[in-house]
Amino acid sequence: KQEVTQIPAALSVPEGENLVLNCSFTDSAIYNLQWFRQDPGKGLTSLLLIQSSQREQTSGRLNASLDKSSGRSTLYIAASQPGDSATYLCAVRTFGGSNYKLTFGKGTLLTVNP
Amino acid sequence: SQTIHQWPATLVQPVGSPLSLECTVEGTSNPNLYWYRQAAGRGLQLLFYSVGIGQISSEVPQNLSASRPQDRQFILSSKKLLLSDSGFYLCAWAVGTQETQYFGPGTRLLVL
Repeated sequence: KQEVTQIPAALSVPEGENLVLNCSFTDSAIYNLQWFRQDPGKGLTSLLLIQSSQREQTSGRLNASLDKSSGRSTLYIAASQPGDSATYLCAVRTFGGSNYKLTFGKGTLLTVNP
Repeated sequence: SQTIHQWPATLVQPVGSPLSLECTVEGTSNPNLYWYRQAAGRGLQLLFYSVGIGQISSEVPQNLSASRPQDRQFILSSKKLLLSDSGFYLCAWAVGTQETQYFGPGTRLLVL
């Protein structure tokens, strides 16, 4: 059974700092990995999707890496801003039963202080 | 562009009452549709998914059910709510099972 762990559970940083969020998964047989952002009381917004054959993906100040063999991914946020404050969720997509399914971590709550 | 709607946004229901949550998608055809639940302190849990009209797969045994009466409509129901059904319910759609999932705004359900 796939399990996804995100560390730390919460992180508070001053504005402008670069930061790294960590995600690990137990079954390396993944199809792809996705990072989401969730604002309080809202739905999820997809940030980056990395295919299993890729090592990293970049979008603006965000960079996600994937080390499939070791079961790890990181989300790097450069020059953090107060607007980056949210919960960041990592999810891996694996094939199970008759379909591909996403397994989510519990998230990292990020607070960027002005 | 595609949009996904969920309603109601918030719902407070007594134990034992019925439930109906609705999700609709605009701007796409034959999407894969998903229902997730997010409970406090826990990750998102996939409840149901559907690859077409009338096709429902259940991931977790429970007192909830799902239906897809139209291509872009996905409904989550219960005949009798339990306290443990409280949570944040999210609907999502995707072009295919391997592709990015796009989430709706969610429905917060509190069962008292």
